[in-house]
Amino acid sequence: GAVVSQHPSWVICKSGTSVKIECRSLDFQATTMFWYRQFPKQSLMLMATSNEGSKATYEQGVEKDKFLINHASLTLSTLTVTSAHPEDSSFYICSAPDRGRTPYNEQFFGPGTRLTVL
Amino acid sequence: EDKVVQSPLSLVVHEGDTVTLNCSYEVTNFRSLLWYKQEKKAPTFLFMLTSSGIEKKSGRLSSILDKKELSSILNITATQTGDSAIYLCAVEQGGSEKLVFGKGTKLTVNP
Repeated sequence: GAVVSQHPSWVICKSGTSVKIECRSLDFQATTMFWYRQFPKQSLMLMATSNEGSKATYEQGVEKDKFLINHASLTLSTLTVTSAHPEDSSFYICSAPDRGRTPYNEQFFGPGTRLTVL
Repeated sequence: EDKVVQSPLSLVVHEGDTVTLNCSYEVTNFRSLLWYKQEKKAPTFLFMLTSSGIEKKSGRLSSILDKKELSSILNITATQTGDSAIYLCAVEQGGSEKLVFGKGTKLTVNP
């Protein structure tokens, strides 16, 4: 199947700093990518839809000024957690549908990024 | 509000047992239901179901969708310790490709 990578796989930062997470589709082009957050023992919650060349669309309750998304190319989307606080500590996962597949645009998930804010 | 509910939340069985995991949903503009297996990192795709009553099968795993009851089950026969994972059910909304996930069922298979 197609491959989606994320970098870094884990990061520890101090409260108040910003952290950038990259999501790359390695062998297909992704005009759309999705960013999820998963708290311990909780499910994946969709945060936003990242659209190549246009603004991201955010789910209700997700602060767009805090979680900055940039989808500058067909293979890269970045999520920047600005002024991170301990409550932002979570597992962040991206996914991308490979629209070159038929009949189903299967979504491929990145390996996730574990963010810990001290 | 769109929601996907899975049960049980956790399950502990012995190797060789058969398990059935449940998923029910209330989602606007249903397109498909998907099952994923999540071990330590990202979810891996198991099945996609769009038509009611048609069983999808892959080895010891099988799944079926009941659109009338807005539910699906995932069966695993002759369980092995390697089946231990969190099994996630997600519903895809038509037009947006958005996935609404359930909380998952944590399956533990003991030797």
